[in-house]
Amino acid sequence: GAVVSQHPSRVICKSGTSVKIECRSLDFQATTMFWYRQFPKQSLMLMATSNEGSKATYEQGVEKDKFLINHASLTLSTLTVTSAHPEDSSFYICRAPGMNTEAFFGQGTRLTVV
Amino acid sequence: AQTVTQSQPEMSVQEAETVTLSCTYDTSESDYYLFWYKQPPSRQMILVIRQEAYKQQNATENRFSVNFQKAAKSFSLKISDSQLGDAAMYFCAYRSANFGNEKLTFGTGTRLTIIP
Repeated sequence: GAVVSQHPSRVICKSGTSVKIECRSLDFQATTMFWYRQFPKQSLMLMATSNEGSKATYEQGVEKDKFLINHASLTLSTLTVTSAHPEDSSFYICRAPGMNTEAFFGQGTRLTVV
Repeated sequence: AQTVTQSQPEMSVQEAETVTLSCTYDTSESDYYLFWYKQPPSRQMILVIRQEAYKQQNATENRFSVNFQKAAKSFSLKISDSQLGDAAMYFCAYRSANFGNEKLTFGTGTRLTIIP
């Protein structure tokens, strides 16, 4: 079946640095990718939607300059957390929609900013 | 905007018994999809079951079934013959059936514990 590969699965970075998270669709073309953030023991909150060939759409309250989203190709979407701070520590998950309401989730990235 | 509510932050059930997880939602749309997702400790999201709003028949997948009450905007998940591997966070989710709107709105989740 279709797979979305998300990397890295875990990353620890120093405060002030940037971190890039990649989501690749392995055997299908993903023209859209949804990016979620999940705090411990909480739900998945949609941050933004990336679309191949156009600018990402951000949800209300999400800082566009901090969370840079790029959809470079039909198989790759990236989320870059810029100038990371400890409060950005969280679990980030991508999701690509498939046919007939299918949803393909990445494995998630646990970001820890120290 | 649609909202999804799960009123049970935690539930527990004895192994082999049956448990029901609650979910209510609010929408002004008439056609939509509802889902239950499982998130085990690995954090990988796994689809458990899906229901189309236009179908009156409740969806069933092996030990998992739903009670879909469209008028009441209720969508509960019943897990029969609970197994240790069912222990996980369970999220109820809503998706519009409108073409091009593929956003999923998630509830706050229910943590299910299976008691051996």
